[in-house]
Amino acid sequence: DVKVTQSSRYLVKRTGEKVFLECVQDMDHENMFWYRQDPGLGLRLIYFSYDVKMKEKGDIPEGYSVSREKKERFSLILESASTNQTSMYLCASNGGAPWDNEQFFGPGTRLTVL
Amino acid sequence: SQELEQSPQSLIVQEGKNLTINCTSSKTLYGLYWYKQKYGEGLIFLMMLQKGGEEKSHEKITAKLDEKKQQSSLHITASQPSHAGIYLCGAPRDQLIWGAGTKLIIKP
Repeated sequence: DVKVTQSSRYLVKRTGEKVFLECVQDMDHENMFWYRQDPGLGLRLIYFSYDVKMKEKGDIPEGYSVSREKKERFSLILESASTNQTSMYLCASNGGAPWDNEQFFGPGTRLTVL
Repeated sequence: SQELEQSPQSLIVQEGKNLTINCTSSKTLYGLYWYKQKYGEGLIFLMMLQKGGEEKSHEKITAKLDEKKQQSSLHITASQPSHAGIYLCGAPRDQLIWGAGTKLIIKP
């Protein structure tokens, strides 16, 4: 079974803190994704990566950066957390064409920024 | 407005009843994913439809893509508490775009 794990299920941070969200997948997938999910808005793509050290901006990259130093790990970084980044963050991975194949999701990290 | 519109936004159904959730696009769909999300958790893949008129089933859940490929419906027969959650549709374009989700509550 594909497994995508995220470092924390719940996280509370203060405004201005640097926040790291980690995602690890065990299926040797080339593609990894970070989404945020807000009520009424569905999932919005923040960044995705199609290979080690490669990244592409999604719809809402502002205020975020990513790192993919190893194939299995994709990190989302909030450089200076703000209250409007309070959200559910979902990581996903897949192989092959990134938009034409099922994405496997982690359990999510619910981040609250105070 | 969302490129993919889901209706209804939320639904409360008596256990054992049937229900339908819709996902509508203003553009032709070249594929349509259905996922389910239990509250506060990640998404679980249900099925993908690609051809106009295609219909797929998984246990008591059936999804269909209409002939014009602009709408998909997801139908649950004899609903159970385990069906409760949020159902999301997603469509591949230059990336994957998502509907806002339909929240399903099953009343015992």
